[in-house]
Amino acid sequence: QVQLQESGPGLVKPSETLSLTCTVSGGSVSSGSYYWSWIRQPPGKGLEWIGYIYYSGSTNYNPSLKSRVTISVDTSKNQFSLKLSSVTAADTAVYYCARNRIVIAVAGDMDVWGKGTTVTVSS
Amino acid sequence: QSVLTQPPSASGTPGQRVTISCSGSSSNIGSNYVYWYQQLPGTAPKLLIYRNNQRPSGVPDRFSGSKSGTSASLAISGLRSEDEADYYCAAWDDSLSGHWVFGGGTKLTVL
Repeated sequence: QVQLQESGPGLVKPSETLSLTCTVSGGSVSSGSYYWSWIRQPPGKGLEWIGYIYYSGSTNYNPSLKSRVTISVDTSKNQFSLKLSSVTAADTAVYYCARNRIVIAVAGDMDVWGKGTTVTVSS
Repeated sequence: QSVLTQPPSASGTPGQRVTISCSGSSSNIGSNYVYWYQQLPGTAPKLLIYRNNQRPSGVPDRFSGSKSGTSASLAISGLRSEDEADYYCAAWDDSLSGHWVFGGGTKLTVL
């Protein structure tokens, strides 16, 4: 059974870079059947997709965050990572990683999610 | 402001049937599948419906999804107290090189 686990600092200073890692267990990030996504949820608000990566390294980002986001994959460690630069208080959120099934070469459902990690942006 | 529009709240009594709507546009719901996620308090979202009306293994058949044009609905029949949660619709949007969009979420209260 595939499990995802987010990790990284819970507190980031304004203008700095938020860095998180998602470790995949019980499955392989190198599977060609999935994209690997990051999603976030500000306190008391809804879900926002940040972006995804394929094991080959190809990425797709939310247009509203594209200028600040980098998602990378490390197949040797079975992990993928998120970097969000120039953070502000508006980036305070629970950050989730999720497995994104590929359906006829297009992103399908996010069928496995991590438990989420809270990141607060504050000085 | 979410790309997909959901009512912020819905409610029902045990045993009732409730529906939650999700409205989009031709670039998302109108041309792609709709997905529904259930988020119980303090937990991660869970896939509830995929490809408009398919249930993952383990999801009770009390939950059903439908889509028509640029709108979709989630129906919950035989409402139970454990259904009290936030529900989100999602769809792939073909604009701007493609990206996922979510609804703002609907808080379901079981009275």
